[in-house]
Amino acid sequence: DAKTTQPPSMDCAEGRAANLPCNHSTISGNEYVYWYRQIHSQGPQYIIHGLKNNETNEMASLIITEDRKSSTLILPHATLRDTAVYYCIVREMNRDDKIIFGKGTRLHILP
Amino acid sequence: DAGITQSPRHKVTETGTPVTLRCHQTENHRYMYWYRQDPGHGLRLIHYSYGVKDTDKGEVSDGYSVSRSKTEDFLLTLESATSSQTSVYFCAISDPDRGRSNEQFFGPGTRLTVL
Repeated sequence: DAKTTQPPSMDCAEGRAANLPCNHSTISGNEYVYWYRQIHSQGPQYIIHGLKNNETNEMASLIITEDRKSSTLILPHATLRDTAVYYCIVREMNRDDKIIFGKGTRLHILP
Repeated sequence: DAGITQSPRHKVTETGTPVTLRCHQTENHRYMYWYRQDPGHGLRLIHYSYGVKDTDKGEVSDGYSVSRSKTEDFLLTLESATSSQTSVYFCAISDPDRGRSNEQFFGPGTRLTVL
């Protein structure tokens, strides 16, 4: 079973910030939070990851709560091309086995 | 793209026939994975490999076998295809010794239909 819980779907207006939540209340101390997205018919694409500090890259920001039991992926200015399924995953950095994708959040960007 | 190709990209076959899907990488990554994706289930891991000739089962391995005789190729075989194996199959690669993020890179997918 996935170690994360995400809402099945969300809407966001184009140009606004999209905030995607993820609960991971059983995360252990050496597990990272990773986010991927999957645009229709394509393979998933890595977005960002973090351990406990907030992270930002050219695609998104990741906010992790102090107790690390939840996180939020932020797409600062959503465009129609951000319509996709977003997956939140917890895993140890150097453990490449048993990576489990849940069902993710289907994000609809509304024009 | 991370240099991952899958072949074939589309295949229609009949129940009971053997099917082999190929994943080829040019990145020299140590780990390779096969996932299947079905409506309502998201991505589910079938098998993975952590080196040449080293493989292990994922969460939905029944009915599938894999082989990795060289670093760049990971084969997924359905010995006797069933209709329940109709799905989209994704290959992925990763390597914990490369870079800071150790993310997985995914191939374009293979759509398999078993009639």
